[in-house]
Amino acid sequence: QKEVEQNSGPLSVPEGAIASLNCTYSDRVSQSFFWYRQYSGKSPELIMSIYSNGDKEDGRFTAQLNKASQYVSLLIRDSQPSDSATYLCAVNRGFQKLVFGTGTRLLVSP
Amino acid sequence: GAVVSQHPSWVICKSGTSVKIECRSLDFQATTMFWYRQFPKQSLMLMATSNEGSKATYEQGVEKDKFLINHASLTLSTLTVTSAHPEDSSFYICSARDSSSSAYEQYFGPGTRLTVT
Repeated sequence: QKEVEQNSGPLSVPEGAIASLNCTYSDRVSQSFFWYRQYSGKSPELIMSIYSNGDKEDGRFTAQLNKASQYVSLLIRDSQPSDSATYLCAVNRGFQKLVFGTGTRLLVSP
Repeated sequence: GAVVSQHPSWVICKSGTSVKIECRSLDFQATTMFWYRQFPKQSLMLMATSNEGSKATYEQGVEKDKFLINHASLTLSTLTVTSAHPEDSSFYICSARDSSSSAYEQYFGPGTRLTVT
């Protein structure tokens, strides 16, 4: 079992819809969780971090964390074609380094 | 805030030569920086953790004599690919963690695309 698992996609949604990206992790001691966006040929960009159970909203983005289920998700409301990218889930277990999932490719069609 | 730069953004070198890549945190101090490699259509692979003033910690399977890391200051880490070969051609990305923050966010540089001919 991989430490951080994501569906590779692609996840296709029409413009204006809600995109829901999911991530599960295996290590229960994981403490902090991050979502990065990576456009093709570019480096990852941090879009959300979440540390406690529940929802965290930032603009069109909402991160959801459920530590009991070892599950973290990212919702993108009013999806735009410019949101088309690969979304990487990353988990920190209390040490310096992050463990990344392989990413979910999101396609938002006009 | 939290800007990380890398130089060069791309480099082409001949097989057998060495290439140095710089990673700088521009508006924060970074005791710890990370070096990743990414092959086309693959995920990030952590190569090593760079610690200011001490030796880098390499991930399993990464040759430390081939990928030399120097973290000489709180804002600069360098990765030198020694005796580069075509199979070292990849996208090299650094990230940095803000030393003043208790959080574990990593901020990525724009990456360096290395092509070895």
